[in-house]
Amino acid sequence: GQQVMQIPQYQHVQEGEDFTTYCNSSTTLSNIQWYKQRPGGHPVFLIQLVKSGEVKKQKRLTFQFGEAKKNSSLHITATQTTDVGTYFCAGTAGANNLFFGTGTRLTVIP
Amino acid sequence: NAGVTQTPKFQVLKTGQSMTLQCAQDMNHEYMSWYRQDPGMGLRLIHYSVGAGITDQGEVPNGYNVSRSTTEDFPLRLLSAAPSQTSVYFCATGISGAANQPQHFGDGTRLSIL
Repeated sequence: GQQVMQIPQYQHVQEGEDFTTYCNSSTTLSNIQWYKQRPGGHPVFLIQLVKSGEVKKQKRLTFQFGEAKKNSSLHITATQTTDVGTYFCAGTAGANNLFFGTGTRLTVIP
Repeated sequence: NAGVTQTPKFQVLKTGQSMTLQCAQDMNHEYMSWYRQDPGMGLRLIHYSVGAGITDQGEVPNGYNVSRSTTEDFPLRLLSAAPSQTSVYFCATGISGAANQPQHFGDGTRLSIL
């Protein structure tokens, strides 16, 4: 079955440092979505990438979709304490199943 | 608008008991789904529905039933609870009848099976 792997599982950074999480799929994806989950909360949609090689930015967050549409990354520049949480990628190969990665838990040390 | 409402927020069951987790949405979204979240395993899809009257299995459907008699409601039934079903359950909705759209999550139900 389809698998979406995400690394690293945990990341501790000093406030102001950069952070990157990587997502890899065993199959070609139709699109990739990114979500953020604060501790004790629910996943919140951040962005969706559809095109091969697509790059999108949201303020300090940069999202990339690989050329082969099998991998993606989320990069945060100059982390802040408000960035704390778990970041998930999620991909679809068909229309109806959304497969989530295992997530990267980000801790930001003030 | 309430968005996606899940009830109850917390529940403790004994092994073998049955129960229904409720999910209601007021956004007129076609797509609804149930996920379970376990430590280190991300979110795994249990069942989903692309519209009223249509349901299908996800990645981990065993031990769970669903129905979609209306657009608004998508209850998840545990037939005979087992300790392995201890988890946090999230209901999610999408505007169209497909998963390749942004998903809106409820607050979750934290379920413990003793």
